[in-house]
Amino acid sequence: QVQLVESGGGVVQPGRSLRLSCVASGFTFSHHGMHWVRQAPGKGLEWVAVIWYDGSNKYYAASVKGRFTISRDNPRNTLYLQMDSLRAEDTAVYYCARWGDDRKNDYWGQGTLVTVSS
Amino acid sequence: DIRLTQSPSSLSASVGDRVTITCRASQSISSYLNWYQQKPGKAPKLLIYAASSLQSGVPSRFSGSGSGTDFTLTISSLQPEDFATYYCQESYSFFSITFGQGTRLEIK
Repeated sequence: QVQLVESGGGVVQPGRSLRLSCVASGFTFSHHGMHWVRQAPGKGLEWVAVIWYDGSNKYYAASVKGRFTISRDNPRNTLYLQMDSLRAEDTAVYYCARWGDDRKNDYWGQGTLVTVSS
Repeated sequence: DIRLTQSPSSLSASVGDRVTITCRASQSISSYLNWYQQKPGKAPKLLIYAASSLQSGVPSRFSGSGSGTDFTLTISSLQPEDFATYYCQESYSFFSITFGQGTRLEIK
């Protein structure tokens, strides 16, 4: 069965960096685009970034552009989110999600919490 | 950027009720509209994709309709496990996606 498992979250000071990982299994990872979506405490869902199935294209939300970098390692079935210059407003649960056929996020990970605080 | 506005923001209903949630897009998005259910502490779950297609394994009491700018999610007969927050999502652009602000469905 399809599984997405995020890791790498934690408490980090403002201005520092953190890298999130999402390990995929149960499907052909290299055939699917992947997204990062976040959710601040008590708030709604916010799209963060997308990467094409082959890594050829990457797009970002305006709120993270220039600070976050999405990447993937297809042989390792792993998606990454490098987060630099972190701010308090980046505090959220970060989910990875598969981009399935028909342009839908059909599978999601369990999420990893990032807390940016001094 | 495309904006999605859900209404209502919150809703109280009883088991067995028929419930409708609407999602309005700031521009036409054809049928590129998905619906998700999220329970506290859990990841979102896909219910409806392409405006009206039921995701595999989702109960048939959930249905979606609409195209262009106006969309609806209907739950025909509320069950106890349906009390959750619901989000619409547009997937019209290849460069970004947008979520609605969410509709919290509570027990009356």
